[in-house]
Amino acid sequence: DIQMTQSPSSLSASVGDRVTITCRASQSISSFLNWFQQKPGKAPKVLIYVASSLQSGVPSRFSGSGSGTDFTLTISSLQPEDFGTYYCQQSYSIPCTFGQGTKLEIK
Amino acid sequence: EVQLVESGGGLVQPGGSLRLSCAASGFTFSSNWMHWVRQAPGKGLVWVSRINSDGGSAAYADSVKGRFTISRDNAKNTLYLQMNSLRDEDTAVYFCASVRYSSGVYYFDSWGQGTLVTVSS
Repeated sequence: DIQMTQSPSSLSASVGDRVTITCRASQSISSFLNWFQQKPGKAPKVLIYVASSLQSGVPSRFSGSGSGTDFTLTISSLQPEDFGTYYCQQSYSIPCTFGQGTKLEIK
Repeated sequence: EVQLVESGGGLVQPGGSLRLSCAASGFTFSSNWMHWVRQAPGKGLVWVSRINSDGGSAAYADSVKGRFTISRDNAKNTLYLQMNSLRDEDTAVYFCASVRYSSGVYYFDSWGQGTLVTVSS
């Protein structure tokens, strides 16, 4: 199975900050990488697919980059509604696997 | 509007069985591959199973293989997860998710609200 490792596991940032979350795959997954945001008690919501494509309706402050084994999710200017837990997920092979999550808190 | 509505969760004793359903609407269900993903309380997301569009091919996580069966009824626009020999560690919220493809990559574009399964004596 492909292991997905996110860092950091948690972070606290202020409104307006630039925030970066990284995700590393245990083997190359090309661009088969998606990012999700989950708020407490809610289903996950896709933000970025195919490593860098922005899902329709997602604010442009979210962006994704990377290929192979190293990927990044960036929030260019943090907003209060961006709190929650962020997960990367590889769809290169079955079983598809998720990172352990990054909990983002707003200071 | 795409809607996925899970049902069938509840409290069950270890060794028991439960069948989850996921009713789909707002898209061509029979054309979409579907997945189940679960989340134990306070924990991360874990993939459980997937089924192809006509129901002829399924895959499972090792942790549920031989105990869970995914199926679908395209006439009823409904996805199922039959869970047998349940264990404490199967306690989780179970989400169904539909898949969209882009550049050969699939991603979960729509999710249900989840249904809680609690395995406890």
